[in-house]
Amino acid sequence: AQSVTQLGSHVSVSEGALVLLRCNYSSSVPPYLFWYVQYPNQGLQLLLKYTSAATLVKGINGFEAEFKKSETSFHLTKPSAHMSDAAEYFCAVSDVGDMRFGAGTRLTVKP
Amino acid sequence: GAGVSQSPRYKVAKRGQDVALRCDPISGHVSLFWYQQALGQGPEFLTYFQNEAQLDKSGLPSDRFFAERPEGSVSTLKIQRTQQEDSAVYLCASSSFTSDSTYEQYFGPGTRLTVT
Repeated sequence: AQSVTQLGSHVSVSEGALVLLRCNYSSSVPPYLFWYVQYPNQGLQLLLKYTSAATLVKGINGFEAEFKKSETSFHLTKPSAHMSDAAEYFCAVSDVGDMRFGAGTRLTVKP
Repeated sequence: GAGVSQSPRYKVAKRGQDVALRCDPISGHVSLFWYQQALGQGPEFLTYFQNEAQLDKSGLPSDRFFAERPEGSVSTLKIQRTQQEDSAVYLCASSSFTSDSTYEQYFGPGTRLTVT
């Protein structure tokens, strides 16, 4: 069965600092991988997705993620954090059917 | 509408009451998904429809949970005899097959259910 594990339930960075949110996946077949962001009292918004076309995926709001098969990882990064990036981030793996989410990482951005 | 909508946004139910949660997917989206998100957790898959057919209901936690999508558009998640452990945000998503041959799920804002 496919699954993802997010390392670190809370990450705190200073404004302007690098953001790194970690995600490792488990899948018996080449996976489709996603990062979603959730702001308070809102649904999930897609940041980016990996579909095997390219290992480095660029998403919205300056985020990107790199698929590393050897490490079974799909970590999310942003070079410079902004206050508006403070939110909950979810990594997910999917095929045609259901999507399996990690437990989430709450990102706090300090001024 | 432009996105997935859900109603009500908030629901308070007394233990033992039945509730019905509605999801309006994006027009034309064939697939529809329900997830349960407990406080501080990631969404957990409940069930999945393709048109009116319920293809996977393996995530429904008990036989008190029932979902339907009779005309292949609007879906209702019904919870009978609610229990406190049912308190959660229920998320609905619909999806389409994209040009890069993947499915992309679009989420509604969720219904926050509180059972007292």
